[in-house]
Amino acid sequence: KAGVTQTPRYLIKTRGQQVTLSCSPISGHRSVSWYQQTPGQGLQFLFEYFSETQRNKGNFPGRFSGRQFSNSRSEMNVSTLELGDSALYLCASSLDRGSPGEKLFFGSGTQLSVL
Amino acid sequence: GDSVTQMEGPVTLSEEAFLTINCTYTATGYPSLFWYVQYPGEGLQLLLKATKADDKGSNKGFEATYRKETTSFHLEKGSVQVSDSAVYFCALKGGGYNKLIFGAGTRLAVHP
Repeated sequence: KAGVTQTPRYLIKTRGQQVTLSCSPISGHRSVSWYQQTPGQGLQFLFEYFSETQRNKGNFPGRFSGRQFSNSRSEMNVSTLELGDSALYLCASSLDRGSPGEKLFFGSGTQLSVL
Repeated sequence: GDSVTQMEGPVTLSEEAFLTINCTYTATGYPSLFWYVQYPGEGLQLLLKATKADDKGSNKGFEATYRKETTSFHLEKGSVQVSDSAVYFCALKGGGYNKLIFGAGTRLAVHP
């Protein structure tokens, strides 16, 4: 069974540009969530999608957005990039059976560098 | 709001030493608790979990017990190996669907 796939693996952008990251969840998984990982702030929750609807959002500016498609694949977009957006962006998927100990499966991430 | 506090690293040990990584949490209600591990260049892998007080999660020789009275979930392993070198994250999940709140992470380096 294929794991969570994130593309691209690395990205280099300049300030002011916008970027789109892609995440393909494990087959059958309906929930996709996104996290930002930086040395200074650690791992922070961005948002979660389920059945094409955003049902939870972290404390990030509106420049960060996402969507989920009918096949559960998800994309996140960052507009007007800032230097501080340089980070590893991780996607996680789960079956979402609603259990407290629901296991999240993480992809290897997209490393974004903003110059 | 909910939060997780982990001991700062790096933790440097010799092979076969005993490992403890402390984790405490603040949360309303009854969160589920997790330990994730991140190897260089990779995403996070679930190491173990516990969903209620006094539950013990275990995997690959690692253990952690959900202590509600001390709001703790310390990670332990009796004999570490070089291959255990990685960054370890303690995390909690409250009522917010699949939103995980992570600690800052603890880097473990095990030397032969």
